Amino acid sequence: NAGVTQTPKFRVLKTGQSMTLLCAQDMNHEYMYWYRQDPGMGLRLIHYSVGEGTTAKGEVPDGYNVSRLKKQNFLLGLESAAPSQTSVYFCASSWRLNTEAFFGQGTRLTVV
Amino acid sequence: QKEVEQDPGPLSVPEGAIVSLNCTYSNSAFQYFMWYRQYSRKGPELLMYTYSSGNKEDGRFTAQVDKSSKYISLFIRDSQPSDSATYLCAMRAVVGSARQLTFGSGTQLTVLP
Repeated sequence: NAGVTQTPKFRVLKTGQSMTLLCAQDMNHEYMYWYRQDPGMGLRLIHYSVGEGTTAKGEVPDGYNVSRLKKQNFLLGLESAAPSQTSVYFCASSWRLNTEAFFGQGTRLTVV
Repeated sequence: QKEVEQDPGPLSVPEGAIVSLNCTYSNSAFQYFMWYRQYSRKGPELLMYTYSSGNKEDGRFTAQVDKSSKYISLFIRDSQPSDSATYLCAMRAVVGSARQLTFGSGTQLTVLP
């Protein structure tokens, strides 16, 4: 049972480049979330989804887009990366809304 | 001022000690309270989940909520080196704009053998 799997684990981008982070869960959870974690800031919600085909904005959505075409996958996209998006990104899933129970291992993204 | 305040530590204790980790908050609408453990370079894992006030115990862990003081605690009894991690509190309301989780910034704990 893999739980929540994020790919890639590490990435370095140049300013202006684009990329997509993939999150996959095998627990049949309806709810999925993308967070970023910065030193001293705690975890901040970027976007979330309450089911296949749905997405919603969180606390810090600017500069990011998401898609949930399949129930088990939640994609986070950066269209034009900026140094301020250097962070550790975590995906999470849950059986109940806003009760994030399972987190992935994280993606360390550096934008230079 | 942040809605959820958490002393970042670091906190070092000897093995076997009782550890007390705390968070304060300002939003009186918060009713669900969680504690997460995060090992270095790993994702958070949910430890405890409580609703409203009172205590909840799970093995060596006890979560305590005092809504009148807007203060929550996590106690770890008989602490072990394997408890060394960053502990994050999180909380949310049932309705309204604060339904999404608000996290504290975490307390780094080291349990020395």
